[in-house]
Amino acid sequence: AQSVTQPDIHITVSEGASLELRCNYSYGATPYLFWYVQSPGQGLQLLLKYFSGDTLVQGIKGFEAEFKRSQSSFNLRKPSVHWSDAAEYFCAVEVASGTYKYIFGTGTRLKVLA
Amino acid sequence: NAGVTQTPKFRILKIGQSMTLQCAQDMNHNYMYWYRQDPGMGLKLIYYSVGAGITDKGEVPNGYNVSRSTTEDFPLRLELAAPSQTSVYFCATTPDGVREQFFGPGTRLTVL
Repeated sequence: AQSVTQPDIHITVSEGASLELRCNYSYGATPYLFWYVQSPGQGLQLLLKYFSGDTLVQGIKGFEAEFKRSQSSFNLRKPSVHWSDAAEYFCAVEVASGTYKYIFGTGTRLKVLA
Repeated sequence: NAGVTQTPKFRILKIGQSMTLQCAQDMNHNYMYWYRQDPGMGLKLIYYSVGAGITDKGEVPNGYNVSRSTTEDFPLRLELAAPSQTSVYFCATTPDGVREQFFGPGTRLTVL
């Protein structure tokens, strides 16, 4: 069965430092992969998505993610974190191509130190 | 456009009571979803719908029911509320051909 793992429950970084959030997936074919962000008390917002093609995808708010098939990973990165990036981040994968059903990881909560 | 709206924002239920969580969208999206979010557990799919009149179970459907009589509305019904249903509930939509989910602001439900 498909699954998504986010190994880090909490991450703390200083403002201006770089960030990498890890996501590993289990999927038989080329997956549809997503990163969402959830600010406190809010719903989720799409940061970026990968379907095919260039394995480095750019998203909103200066985020990017790299798809690595050999490592079954889709890690989220940002070169310089801002205090407003403090939030919870979720990786997700489509259950099967064309189903429009998704599995979410358990999330990584990011804390940013001033 | 209001996007995805959910009512109520907060609710406290007693064990055994029932209630309906409302979800409405004005984007004419075919796909609609109900998730629950529990701390450290991510989002779990309760039910989803691919269009009016069509619904299907997700990962955690027990204790819930849904209906989809119109494109716009996708209410989630809780019968005989239990403490295990204490959670934050999110409704989401997806337009046909676009793999992005649009989330509502959530309903925080406590069952005591």
